[in-house]
Amino acid sequence: KNQVEQSPQSLIILEGKNCTLQCNYTVSPFSNLRWYKQDTGRGPVSLTIMTFSENTKSNGRYTATLDADTKQSSLHITASQLSDSASYICVVSASYGNNRLAFGKGNQVVVIP
Amino acid sequence: DTAVSQTPKYLVTQMGNDKSIKCEQNLGHDTMYWYKQDSKKFLKIMFSYNNKELIINETVPNRFSPKSPDKAHLNLHINSLELGDSAVYFCASSPFRTSGIYNNEQFFGPGTRLTVL
Repeated sequence: KNQVEQSPQSLIILEGKNCTLQCNYTVSPFSNLRWYKQDTGRGPVSLTIMTFSENTKSNGRYTATLDADTKQSSLHITASQLSDSASYICVVSASYGNNRLAFGKGNQVVVIP
Repeated sequence: DTAVSQTPKYLVTQMGNDKSIKCEQNLGHDTMYWYKQDSKKFLKIMFSYNNKELIINETVPNRFSPKSPDKAHLNLHINSLELGDSAVYFCASSPFRTSGIYNNEQFFGPGTRLTVL
């Protein structure tokens, strides 16, 4: 079983609407969690990075939350734009041990006009 | 002025061939990585080099051999290509921090789509 599970797998939303993507993880001991945006045919680009003590972090219209107790994170997209169509990947790092970097499969978001 | 560049962008080759993918970063970073993204879109780390020294080597067939001539370059050579090697390969780089490479933001290249026929 993958250490990072993301839901929904894919999502279609109307331009201007909000949406929330979920990331649940089992990585332990937790070090940090990152959200990346990957446009089709391109490499991932970092959106946010959060450590254990951070509950929320924003980057423009993107707001990430973290609950380290329940091992859950969400990425909220406000007032979606067509350019938000992409895959959003959750990446969780462990403080030590093997397999310290775990990637989710991504949430595929399609914004339609 | 591309930060992390890879060549070629597309690579189509026959099974059994040997091929190389090149990666260069002009960000002045000390650490570079190779990732494989399969058809299911899972990104998986393969190797990491810090200042030309190998620091991560995940369970990757020894047909894959990374080479770092200097800290700005990390090339990936693949021998005896197999059908299962078909994927998108991403190079990435990050600055070195004392908190460890796993805490660093990574900057990815555009990817190389390898198709083995």
